[in-house]
Amino acid sequence: KNEVEQSPQNLTAQEGEFITINCSYSVGISALHWLQQHPGGGIVSLFMLSSGKKKHGRLIATINIQEKHSSLHITASHPRDSAVYICAVWSNTGNQFYFGTGTSLTVIP
Amino acid sequence: GAVVSQHPSRVICKSGTSVKIECRSLDFQATTMFWYRQFPKQSLMLMATSNEGSKATYEQGVEKDKFLINHASLTLSTLTVTSAHPEDSSFYICSAVQGGTDTQYFGPGTRLTVL
Repeated sequence: KNEVEQSPQNLTAQEGEFITINCSYSVGISALHWLQQHPGGGIVSLFMLSSGKKKHGRLIATINIQEKHSSLHITASHPRDSAVYICAVWSNTGNQFYFGTGTSLTVIP
Repeated sequence: GAVVSQHPSRVICKSGTSVKIECRSLDFQATTMFWYRQFPKQSLMLMATSNEGSKATYEQGVEKDKFLINHASLTLSTLTVTSAHPEDSSFYICSAVQGGTDTQYFGPGTRLTVL
């Protein structure tokens, strides 16, 4: 069983749609990261969360520590949002980073 | 914001040669750097944790004699793939943790192709 589970694995949306990607984890964490990886491989760190909610432009990330769950929302999606989105958690024991398998998002014009 | 660079971004080498990949934190001191590997269509796999001035800690299944990691300064870590083989072809990504924080910054990655 993976320590970090993401859903859905693949997502296709029409431009303008509201998108939600979910992440559940089973370990105690000190921080959760949402990462974006475009074709070609470069990774961008979108958010680092330890509680509550963060917003950056059209992106919103929330985390519920009690439920061990985080969501990444994209409002008014655009084709340039097409990428793989990865949830990763930094455990608070053992100094270890666990990765989800990623959600591949395709936004169609 | 904090920036982490990797060099080279792409490298093609012959089987049996060694390849060095550099990871630099450009505007902060990184007490800890991580090296990851990503196979096609898969998520990142942590290879090793590198702390400045000490030996790297390798994850289970990662050959430390094959993947040599050096973290000689607070802004530079290197990964050397020794005697590379085609199965070492992969995307290698580093990240750096800013000293005194939990914030981790990712490098853009290096695509290694071993012929």
